[in-house]
Amino acid sequence: TQLLEQSPQFLSIQEGENLTVYCNSSSVFSSLQWYRQEPGEGPVLLVTVVTGGEVKKLKRLTFQFGDARKDSSLHITAAQPGDTGLYLCAGVGGGADGLTFGKGTHLIIQP
Amino acid sequence: GAVVSQHPSWVICKSGTSVKIECRSLDFQATTMFWYRQFPKQSLMLMATSNEGSKATYEQGVEKDKFLINHASLTLSTLTVTSAHPEDSSFYICSARDQLGQGLETQYFGPGTRLLVL
Repeated sequence: TQLLEQSPQFLSIQEGENLTVYCNSSSVFSSLQWYRQEPGEGPVLLVTVVTGGEVKKLKRLTFQFGDARKDSSLHITAAQPGDTGLYLCAGVGGGADGLTFGKGTHLIIQP
Repeated sequence: GAVVSQHPSWVICKSGTSVKIECRSLDFQATTMFWYRQFPKQSLMLMATSNEGSKATYEQGVEKDKFLINHASLTLSTLTVTSAHPEDSSFYICSARDQLGQGLETQYFGPGTRLLVL
């Protein structure tokens, strides 16, 4: 059973547009992490959110942790081709050891 | 952030041979490391949890006799794919857990190892 539902799975948009990726679960996580992975490389940690309702910004990326710590979102403003990649959300806790990964969102930003 | 290395970055081997992949945490000690497998266009699938000084914990469906894990030190875990077959071809990624205190933790990932079994 997939504990973390990530949507959309695929997204292709034009440069300059905004987008939001969602990560939802029925489980409560002690923290949630977002990673970005490029082909042939390991995932790179973008952010960790810990507190319910927390909002963190990383340049044009805004991460939010739901009040109940069951969901999170990643919003990208004015997307750039360099934002292209696989975005993964991963929860800590939720009844499993280690990280529980969502299926990922394949993002393509077309110039 | 912390650095985790993997070696080799890619390997091609003949069917029936064994392949060893190393995962090292370079600037922190990791009592726990994880091994993941990733197929094209898919997310990471946890294979096993590697605990320093004790036996690894394998996820359901992962053959422990085929994927041998050794975590002999706080900075090194190895995954050996024994008697490799073409269906074992995949991208193998390790991660090392960094305990931040107060119940917080972060995993740092290695760059991955691409295995191709002919």
